[in-house]
Amino acid sequence: DAKTTQPPSMDCAEGRAANLPCNHSTISGNEYVYWYRQIHSQGPQYIIHGLKNNETNEMASLIITEDRKSSTLILPHATLRDTAVYYCIVRVERTSYDKVIFGPGTSLSVIP
Amino acid sequence: DAGVIQSPRHEVTEMGQEVTLRCKPISGHDYLFWYRQTMMRGLELLIYFNNNVPIDDSGMPEDRFSAKMPNASFSTLKIQPSEPRDSAVYFCASSRVKGGRDTQYFGPGTRLTVL
Repeated sequence: DAKTTQPPSMDCAEGRAANLPCNHSTISGNEYVYWYRQIHSQGPQYIIHGLKNNETNEMASLIITEDRKSSTLILPHATLRDTAVYYCIVRVERTSYDKVIFGPGTSLSVIP
Repeated sequence: DAGVIQSPRHEVTEMGQEVTLRCKPISGHDYLFWYRQTMMRGLELLIYFNNNVPIDDSGMPEDRFSAKMPNASFSTLKIQPSEPRDSAVYFCASSRVKGGRDTQYFGPGTRLTVL
């Protein structure tokens, strides 16, 4: 699977949008972008994933550039509970499992 | 659904002792994963199973570690003998690959301290 690059840390004011970038310049055409997050002392939690179109769910929005070499996870109105480490992962979707490699992620701090 | 269940949540043991961590995956999920997380190495995949069969154990650090999945609702990760460097949080996760899509659901983890 392609590797990803994320900033090690970011701050965001409570109530503002948090925009977390991810570079995946070597992504293949059949690889999806996945985002997970890990709140302190808990297991990682799935947030969202997409291939090339922008995606939105109740937790976040995912914006993927047209060339698919980067993406941005958007938390529209960050709260203190969104403070966590956010992992960007690229992997192929297929009927058999392909193991996921978690990088160091971005530590997001939401500040009151 | 109760989600992925792990036990114990905390384990403190002495070097040389055997440690057994337990996991109950989400019902209907056919993949189960064991991860280890430390400050130094981050989140590492140790082993995963598909339909109770170990598929890839290349992440298991050494022969002291072993994992089993005797049925679809139970898995164990055993460390024998344990060493202080095994201290970490161990996560179990499960997923179901459906239509080519897979989302992993993680348990709360077991925090292991080896003295």
